[in-house]
Amino acid sequence: SQTIHQWPATLVQPVGSPLSLECTVEGTSNPNLYWYRQAAGRGLQLLFYSVGIGQISSEVPQNLSASRPQDRQFILSSKKLLLSDSGFYLCAWSEGLKETQYFGPGTRLLVL
Amino acid sequence: GQQVMQIPQYQHVQEGEDFTTYCNSSTTLSNIQWYKQRPGGHPVFLIQLVKSGEVKKQKRLTFQFGEAKKNSSLHITATQTTDVGTYFCAGPEAGANNLFFGTGTRLTVIP
Repeated sequence: SQTIHQWPATLVQPVGSPLSLECTVEGTSNPNLYWYRQAAGRGLQLLFYSVGIGQISSEVPQNLSASRPQDRQFILSSKKLLLSDSGFYLCAWSEGLKETQYFGPGTRLLVL
Repeated sequence: GQQVMQIPQYQHVQEGEDFTTYCNSSTTLSNIQWYKQRPGGHPVFLIQLVKSGEVKKQKRLTFQFGEAKKNSSLHITATQTTDVGTYFCAGPEAGANNLFFGTGTRLTVIP
């Protein structure tokens, strides 16, 4: 069966510091991968998605970037965090772009 | 671009009361999916509907896809405290390559 992992579970970072969040998927090949951000009590904002290694699509202009160095690894990064980057970051995978998405446990990021 | 709105944004009900959330898309959808996110958790897939007018049931939950495939509803009969969470609909615009999530409805059940 397929599983999706995210780490760390929680993170507190100072403004201006770098960020690296990792997501890995097991039990499937060539998944579509997604990064979402969710502000407290709000909906899901799609940040990036990837259909294959090295292929990244950005949905909104922002302070973040994404990379997919391996088929089942998706990384979210920032060179300098802003206060507004705080939120709940969710990674998800799907077999097709229009198909069911399976979410990881998420990372809660607090930028102080 | 496609927009998927849900109403209400928040709903508080007494345990045992019924609850309904509505999902409306600005464009025709090829399918509609529903997800539930428990407080502090991540969204979990509940169900997918594909056909116009389709109705599916999961125990106390009834899901419906509109005839025009632009709206959907989720109805919970006799809510329980375990139903607490945020319910999201999601659907791809017909001909599009991505899934758009609705704005979500947060359900609180008062014991």
